[in-house]
Amino acid sequence: QLQLQESGPGLVKPSETLSLTCTVSGSSISSSRYYWGWIRQPPGKGLEWIGNIYNSGSTYYNPSLESRVTISIATSRDQFSLKLTSVTATDTAVYYCARLSDASGYIYFHHWGQGTLVTVSS
Amino acid sequence: DIQMTQSPSSLSASVGDRVTITCRASQYIGRFLNWYQQKVGKAPKLLIYAASNLESGVPSRFSGSGSGTDFTLTISSLQPEDFATYYCQQSYSSLLFTFGPGTKIDIK
Repeated sequence: QLQLQESGPGLVKPSETLSLTCTVSGSSISSSRYYWGWIRQPPGKGLEWIGNIYNSGSTYYNPSLESRVTISIATSRDQFSLKLTSVTATDTAVYYCARLSDASGYIYFHHWGQGTLVTVSS
Repeated sequence: DIQMTQSPSSLSASVGDRVTITCRASQYIGRFLNWYQQKVGKAPKLLIYAASNLESGVPSRFSGSGSGTDFTLTISSLQPEDFATYYCQQSYSSLLFTFGPGTKIDIK
């Protein structure tokens, strides 16, 4: 059974770097069938796509975050990671990792982690 | 960038009601439109992909339609477990995704 689990600090100081890891179980992260992504949700607000990483290693980021975001993959550990630099209070959110599926070119967020709340505060 | 809008932003409905939510893209996206349901404190759940394909295990009272720029999610007979927030999401540009702002359904 596929499971995705986010992990990382729940509190980050302003101007520092937010680092989260998503551990995948029940599916090999190196499979070419799937892609992997990060989404966030500020408290009481809607969903914001952060970025995706594809099996080729190619990454695609939300233009509004691109200058601060890095998504990487560690296939040997079945993990992928998110780094967001120079955080401010507006980066406070629940962060979700997800596995994307591709049905004949139609790509969607198929499976989600439970999410982890990251608060930016001194 | 492709922008997504949803209407209404919220609605009140009763069990048994037929409910329709609209999602509009700022430019043509074909059928590259997905729908998610999110309950309070939970991760979103995929309902519909490619505009009208029902995800496995999702009740048949949910249906999606549309293409181009205008899409709808319909719940044919609202059930107590359907009170939640619904988001559309475009994947036309497979490089850059966008979610709609959400539609919250609560109990009348």
